[in-house]
Amino acid sequence: QSALTQPASVSGSPGQSITISCTGTSSDIGIYNYVSWYQQHPGKTPRLILYDVGVRPSGISDRFSGSKSGNTASLTISGLQAEDEADYYCSSYRDDIPYVFGTGTTVTLL
Amino acid sequence: QVQLQESGPGLVNPSETLSLTCAVSGASISSHYWNWVRQAPGKGLEWIAYRRHIGTTHGSPSFKSRIAMSVDTSTNQFSLTLTSVTAADTAIYFCARRPALGGTGLDHWGQGILVTVSS
Repeated sequence: QSALTQPASVSGSPGQSITISCTGTSSDIGIYNYVSWYQQHPGKTPRLILYDVGVRPSGISDRFSGSKSGNTASLTISGLQAEDEADYYCSSYRDDIPYVFGTGTTVTLL
Repeated sequence: QVQLQESGPGLVNPSETLSLTCAVSGASISSHYWNWVRQAPGKGLEWIAYRRHIGTTHGSPSFKSRIAMSVDTSTNQFSLTLTSVTAADTAIYFCARRPALGGTGLDHWGQGILVTVSS
């Protein structure tokens, strides 16, 4: 299955806000609110940071927020911190496939 | 505290069958949706399949008929088999849980197991 499209990299200065986009189609993000976001540090396991577009699991900082407009979902990280340097993946439900992942975005601090 | 732990061979010969097991603690295998996800070296995440303790395997079309999952309530484990493997199946394989209630995200993951397909 074709992946959702994310920018390869996004960077920001400490304390700034950044937004990562996740572009899909009218078969996935456009019609389902089943978008989730995962953070993965190098060599580590992915960690769920948002589900159902903008819901934070227990223990996840409120610096992470999510939204959706049309076929594009977005993850915003506010007050960027060193620990936020990681890879981020979105996923969406599509055509009976529960998890179609995005291409991944590397977040780096300037 | 929910924990998942993958186990299985780290090396599989081409054309043979890969078998992995995920041991679950802190949660009942009879609840929830149990998933497999993989990540080729330096690449992104790819969903493979899920199953509940009843019902059938729901797999990605990318794998066609090569995959099967089973759930063992007596041992609180679930398994993945992937047949006719090739070098393209070399990846870190993660098991993960989607909770029965509380959203559609994969909220707990195993640490992952690297499987290399090579003779």
